[in-house]
Amino acid sequence: KAGVTQTPRYLIKTRGQQVTLSCSPISGHRSVSWYQQTPGQGLQFLFEYFSETQRNKGNFPGRFSGRQFSNSRSEMNVSTLELGDSALYLCASSSRSEETQYFGPGTRLLVL
Amino acid sequence: QKEVEQNSGPLSVPEGAIASLNCTYSDRGSQSFFWYRQYSGKSPELIMSIYSNGDKEDGRFTAQLNKASQYVSLLIRDSQPSDSATYLCAVGGSNDYKLSFGAGTTVTVRA
Repeated sequence: KAGVTQTPRYLIKTRGQQVTLSCSPISGHRSVSWYQQTPGQGLQFLFEYFSETQRNKGNFPGRFSGRQFSNSRSEMNVSTLELGDSALYLCASSSRSEETQYFGPGTRLLVL
Repeated sequence: QKEVEQNSGPLSVPEGAIASLNCTYSDRGSQSFFWYRQYSGKSPELIMSIYSNGDKEDGRFTAQLNKASQYVSLLIRDSQPSDSATYLCAVGGSNDYKLSFGAGTTVTVRA
């Protein structure tokens, strides 16, 4: 089976812009979770989707949003980018969120 | 109190030795536990999952779980330089559809 794919892999934006990241889960997986990873904060949970429904959201401002499509692909959006949003954004898929999550390669976002 | 805490690193071990990594968690209802390895600049990759109390072995890796003590550990036997990485402990919540990660322990295996 193909693994989790994320696009784009690298992104440079400026403050105030918005960005959309995409994630395609492993075939058959219906749960997609998003995480932000920074050197100072480690891996932090953003949100989880299952069958197009957001079931949990981490402690991030409303500028961070996401959605899941009927084919389980997911997107996350960050509006009004801030310098502190520079991070590695990771997507993980599983058949159910409490089961093993498999990570994609991540999208490295740099906000200037 | 953090949800998942790992022993602080970095941990340096000689080649061939045993590396011991520890993790404690706060949610007593947690039922799923995972160890991930992350090389610098890469995404986490799964090493082991464990759901029941006791030991689980997979090659040179052994995970140990004690739910009563809210403790999970990972042993790496016969450590190799290729084991040099950051190891992340992850715990599934009791009903909140998310994994909580520890800060990670960086392991360096000296040749």
